[in-house]
Amino acid sequence: DAKTTQPPSMDCAEGRAANLPCNHSTISGNEYVYWYRQIHSQGPQYIIHGLKNNETNEMASLIITEDRKSSTLILPHATLRDTAVYYCIVITEYGNKLVFGAGTILRVKS
Amino acid sequence: NAGVMQNPRHLVRRRGQEARLRCSPMKGHSHVYWYRQLPEEGLKFMVYLQKENIIDESGMPKERFSAEFPKEGPSILRIQQVVRGDSAAYFCASSLGTGANYEQYFGPGTRLTVT
Repeated sequence: DAKTTQPPSMDCAEGRAANLPCNHSTISGNEYVYWYRQIHSQGPQYIIHGLKNNETNEMASLIITEDRKSSTLILPHATLRDTAVYYCIVITEYGNKLVFGAGTILRVKS
Repeated sequence: NAGVMQNPRHLVRRRGQEARLRCSPMKGHSHVYWYRQLPEEGLKFMVYLQKENIIDESGMPKERFSAEFPKEGPSILRIQQVVRGDSAAYFCASSLGTGANYEQYFGPGTRLTVT
C-alpha cells in the first residue's frame, strides 16, 4: 500500500471549514483513499473514502487531485467535537488491513 | 442498528493469566479485524477473520496470541500468559465484505491492563 504523509497537527476555529491535507504521491491506480478519525481514546470512526472522484457525505467532503497524488478532507463547519486525530489511509482494491500512520491532530478552538 | 460491540470494555489481569476479548460484529457482517494500540502509539493490524477462517494473521505476535470467529457467537482474541507489554487498547472492526469498497466499522475497544 502507498505511504501517506500528513501534517502532525492543525488548528481550526469553531464554525470554520477544516481542510486536512494528505500526500500519497506513490499511489497506484487500484488504491483507494480512506479517512478515519479517533476522538480521544475511542474506536476509530469511518469518515469517507474515494478512488478518483470527489466524494461528499453527511460528515465531510473528500477532494482528490487529478493526478491522485494528494487529497484534502474538508469538514465544512468544524465544531469542538471534531477535535480528534485524523488518519489518511491508502488501501488496495483487494486489501483487507488498514495501515494507520501518525495522523493529524486537529484542534478546534472556540 | 447496533454497532460493533466489544466486551469487556476494561480488563485487568495479573502477569501470567489469560485474557479473552470478545467482539460482536455489526449485524450482517461476516468479516472481523483486530487491531492493537499500544500506549502513545498508533493502531496496528493484528488479524483478519471471516466466519470460521483466519484469512490474514500477519500482524499477530507469534506466541501467546490467538483469534477465532466461530460459526455462532462472537469473535474472540485470546492472550495467554499475559505480560506487562500486552497492556494496550484492543479494537475490533467489522465489514460487510472484503476489499476497499467495504468500510470497516470499529468498536469502542477493550482496554487491557496487566499488573
